[in-house]
Formats: sequence, C-alpha cells, structure tokens
Amino acid sequence: EDKVVQSPLSLVVHEGDTVTLNCSYEVTNFRSLLWYKQEKKAPTFLFMLTSSGIEKKSGRLSSILDKKELFSILNITATQTGDSAVYLCAVLNAGGTSYGKLTFGQGTILTVHP
Amino acid sequence: SAVISQKPSRDICQRGTSLTIQCQVDSQVTMMFWYRQQPGQSLTLIATANQGSEATYESGFVIDKFPISRPNLTFSTLTVSNMSPEDSSIYLCSVGRGGGNEQFFGPGTRLTVL
Repeated sequence: EDKVVQSPLSLVVHEGDTVTLNCSYEVTNFRSLLWYKQEKKAPTFLFMLTSSGIEKKSGRLSSILDKKELFSILNITATQTGDSAVYLCAVLNAGGTSYGKLTFGQGTILTVHP
Repeated sequence: SAVISQKPSRDICQRGTSLTIQCQVDSQVTMMFWYRQQPGQSLTLIATANQGSEATYESGFVIDKFPISRPNLTFSTLTVSNMSPEDSSIYLCSVGRGGGNEQFFGPGTRLTVL
C-alpha cells in the first residue's frame, strides 16, 4: 500500500523565518510528487516534481525531490502570515488500477506569527 | 491549470437523506476523481470517475453509498446516499492535467450531517 509521511505535523514560526517541510514516501509505481497548500477547503497546487535533484521555485517557495532516498522537501523563506496553512504532500501512482491515484500525507500545519 | 467549479459549496443535511454534488470543468479532461477529507484528516480518494463506464472505487468505498456519474468529459456528480453524521466531510473533485502528472482540485463541498 502506498504511503506518504510528512514531518513535522505542525510548526509555529515568526515572520521572516525560513521553514523546511519534509515528505517521505513509499509507492509501488511512482509518477510524480505534488505539493499543495490548503487554507480553507480546496488544496491549491504548488509544485509537481518528477526528477531527482531539480529544484522547482516559485517566489519564496522551492521544492526538490530525491528519488533515491524517497523524499522531498518544501522550503519557504522569509515567511509571512499569509503562508499560514496546511501543506500537503501527495504521490501520484502510475500503475495499473491505481493509475492517477493520489496518496496524501497527513499534512503539516504551518502557523506564522507577526 | 483547469477552472473547476463545484455545487453546492456547503450543505447541512439530515441523516438518512442523500446529497448530490456536481463538478464542472472548463475544458474536456480524461481523468476526474472524487476525494473525501474528514475533519482533521488528510484527503482520501473515493473513486475515479470514468466517462462512459462505471466508476472505479477505492477500498472501503462502494457504489451503493457513493454513486458517481460521468456523462461527458467536463462534468461529474457524486451522490452521498443514506447519510449519517460520519459522512460529514469536505468532498473534493479533481482533474488530471500535465499529461497526467498533475491534479487540480475544485473548491470543495463542505457537508454536515445532523
């Protein structure tokens, strides 16, 4: 069974801090790893990673994948209160009857104080 | 990304009744999915909505409880049948994009069953 584990489960920081969120996974047929930000109901897409060692960046957010060690990290620099949210890591399965299935981690609750 | 809408945005229902949730996408997509997020939990895949054939359900979810329709490549419905308080959750549809490497979510339906 596919499994995704995120750490830490929650994190409290002050504005301006840098945070690193971790995601480790086990999946039978890896297709891609996705990061989402969830503030209310809908997860908002952040990054899609398929190749090891290639950093994806969007403003203050960046992410990288290590397919050998089966993990990914999401970095947020110079955090702002608007970064407060649940960050979800998910792995997309490529194989058979699980094709297209996303398996989610528990999420990391990030709280940024002014 | 795709523009995805869901109706209703939220609802409060009595136990024993049924609710049908609609998901509309702004362009044709091959893959549509339905997820559930119970309070304090991460997202769990209910089923893959297949156009022109029966949905593919994940372990623990059955068609009698969660019937799904997919009449065309831009629309799907999920019905939550014979509801109980345990069905109180956020229900989300998603679509596959980027050659199947990415998934984008609709705004979600927050369901409360009394």
